[in-house]
Amino acid sequence: EIVMTQSPATLSVSPGERVTLSCRASQSVSSHLGWYQQKPGQAPRLLIYGASTRATGIPDRFSGSGSGTDFTLTISSLQSEDFAVYYCQHYNQWPLTFGGGTKVEIK
Amino acid sequence: QVQLVESGGGVVQPGRSLRLSCAGSGFTFSSHAMCWVRQAPGKGLEWVALITYDGKNKYSADSVMGRFTISRDNSKNTLYLQMDSLRVEDTAVYYCARDFAPGGPHYYFENWGQGTLVTVSS
Repeated sequence: EIVMTQSPATLSVSPGERVTLSCRASQSVSSHLGWYQQKPGQAPRLLIYGASTRATGIPDRFSGSGSGTDFTLTISSLQSEDFAVYYCQHYNQWPLTFGGGTKVEIK
Repeated sequence: QVQLVESGGGVVQPGRSLRLSCAGSGFTFSSHAMCWVRQAPGKGLEWVALITYDGKNKYSADSVMGRFTISRDNSKNTLYLQMDSLRVEDTAVYYCARDFAPGGPHYYFENWGQGTLVTVSS
């Protein structure tokens, strides 16, 4: 099983700041990596797939990069609605696995 | 618009069974792979099982293999999760989710239901 490790666990930021979230795979997953956003009491929302392709309707302040084992989700200017938990998920092989999440909270 | 509505959650004793359903609408249900993902209270996401669009192939997490069975009825636009021999650690919100595009599977999920809570407790 591929283990996905996200860092940091919690990030305290101010609106308008640039945010960088990290996701590392225990072995290469090529570009088979997605990012999800989850707000309290809501279902996850797909942000990025293929490591860098934005899903439908996702603002361009969200961008993904990386391949192999190291990936990054960047939010160029954090908006109030972006405070949430972010998960990465690989889909390179069975089983699919998620990272533990990074909580982005208000500073 | 795409809608996924889960049902069937509730409180159940350890060792008992429960069947979850997920009704899809607003898209061609029979064209998409579907999956179940769960989230224990205050915890992260855990993929549970996936079924291809035609039901011919099924994949399950080790933690539920042999106990949970994913299935679908394309004539009813409905996905199921039969959960047997339930354990306390199966307590979670269970989400159904639609694979990204028709055919596939692509293994990433753009549309999710609102979730249904399963509580396993004596």
